[in-house]
Amino acid sequence: DAGVTQSPTHLIKTRGQHVTLRCSPISGHKSVSWYQQVLGQGPQFIFQYYEKEERGRGNFPDRFSARQFPNYSSELNVNALLLGDSALYLCASTTYGTGNEKLFFGSGTQLSVL
Amino acid sequence: AQSVTQLGSHVSVSEGALVLLRCNYSSSVPPYLFWYVQYPNQGLQLLLKYTTGATLVKGINGFEAEFKKSETSFHLTKPSAHMSDAAEYFCAVTSNNAGNMLTFGGGTRLMVKP
Repeated sequence: DAGVTQSPTHLIKTRGQHVTLRCSPISGHKSVSWYQQVLGQGPQFIFQYYEKEERGRGNFPDRFSARQFPNYSSELNVNALLLGDSALYLCASTTYGTGNEKLFFGSGTQLSVL
Repeated sequence: AQSVTQLGSHVSVSEGALVLLRCNYSSSVPPYLFWYVQYPNQGLQLLLKYTTGATLVKGINGFEAEFKKSETSFHLTKPSAHMSDAAEYFCAVTSNNAGNMLTFGGGTRLMVKP
């Protein structure tokens, strides 16, 4: 079975632009979470979605938004990019609801903002 | 609010030596604790987790961790390091039984010398 897939793997943008990152969860997983990992730091929680509804939000500005589609894939959108948004963006999926979840992470999208 | 502190951003051991990676957490509610490993250009992989029950948790690749409530610690150990253990290790905490919305520590890079 395929793992969590993210696209693109690398992306270069300039300040002020908009970016969309995509994530496909493992088949059967209904929950998707997004994390930002700045170089040299641990991942930081951004959003969690389950059954197309937002179930959790981290401490990120409104420039960050996300959505989940009927097939459980997800998009993370970032508007008005800043240099500080340069990071590895990780998507993770899980079944959610069984009480013993394990997060499966994708390899991430490396975003560079120039 | 929850937080995780990993003492030592870099740890170097010789092949065959004991691995000890330190993690201390802060949580106002009973925590769920995790250790993840990240290899270069890859996502995070779960090594082990503590939810409830036995405080000594065994994970994959010979790693184990002990939950010590009195010390608010969850240190990761492995009796004998292997070259393939060289990676970045992250400790994480959540109060969410579903194991989502993790708060990660800053990470510890483990180097294994031949």
